[in-house]
Amino acid sequence: QSVLTQPPSVSGAPGQRVTISCTGSSSNIGAGYDVHWYQQLPGTAPKLLIYGNSNRPSGVPDRFSGSKSGTSASLAISGLQAEDEADYYCQSYDSSLSAPWVFGGGTKLTVL
Amino acid sequence: QVQLQESGPGLVKPSQTLSLTCTVSGGSISSGGYYWSWIRQHPGKGLEWIGYIYYSGSTYYNPSLKSRVTISVDTSKNQFSLKLSSVTAADTAVYYCARMDAFFVDYWGQGTLVTVSS
Repeated sequence: QSVLTQPPSVSGAPGQRVTISCTGSSSNIGAGYDVHWYQQLPGTAPKLLIYGNSNRPSGVPDRFSGSKSGTSASLAISGLQAEDEADYYCQSYDSSLSAPWVFGGGTKLTVL
Repeated sequence: QVQLQESGPGLVKPSQTLSLTCTVSGGSISSGGYYWSWIRQHPGKGLEWIGYIYYSGSTYYNPSLKSRVTISVDTSKNQFSLKLSSVTAADTAVYYCARMDAFFVDYWGQGTLVTVSS
């Protein structure tokens, strides 16, 4: 299983707000390493959504926001839209691993 | 705008070597500051880091694959490549090339499905 734990699935109705959690440990998120988020639309490559815990690359709507506290991080999506239906992955760095760049297992967002 | 494009065979026989090339446009590998990576995704599964190469040629490989992986760079062609030897069905996956900004991936290729089958 992944070092970073995400819920397998979340869902919400259009217009609602949903959050996706990413739980780590003292060797990754809790050690102060940043968390980054990627969106993978069906049949496409992942795309950087949030970097450095809460920063949005140019072109990413401000409906997407990220936060980090302790050993966990969260991705919030407000004003949910049908096109937000995708898989979302968190990613960080783990100082205890010989393969330190780690991804979460991914969360499937379903827009009802 | 940086773009990455994977190329290579979509079908590889078991025990053979998987070879993929990533062509970078809109930016120079030689400019430094980035780590040129390979990441794979097994069908219906999550993401797995394979390794990266810096423009200088220094590499990092995932220990779980290290004995079978070679990543190389050709700065004259602005390309980097992946070789994975002794493949099995477990290596069937979508392979992505990507640009990593120290700690996160800021650009991804579109991905290429490689199937290992006789």
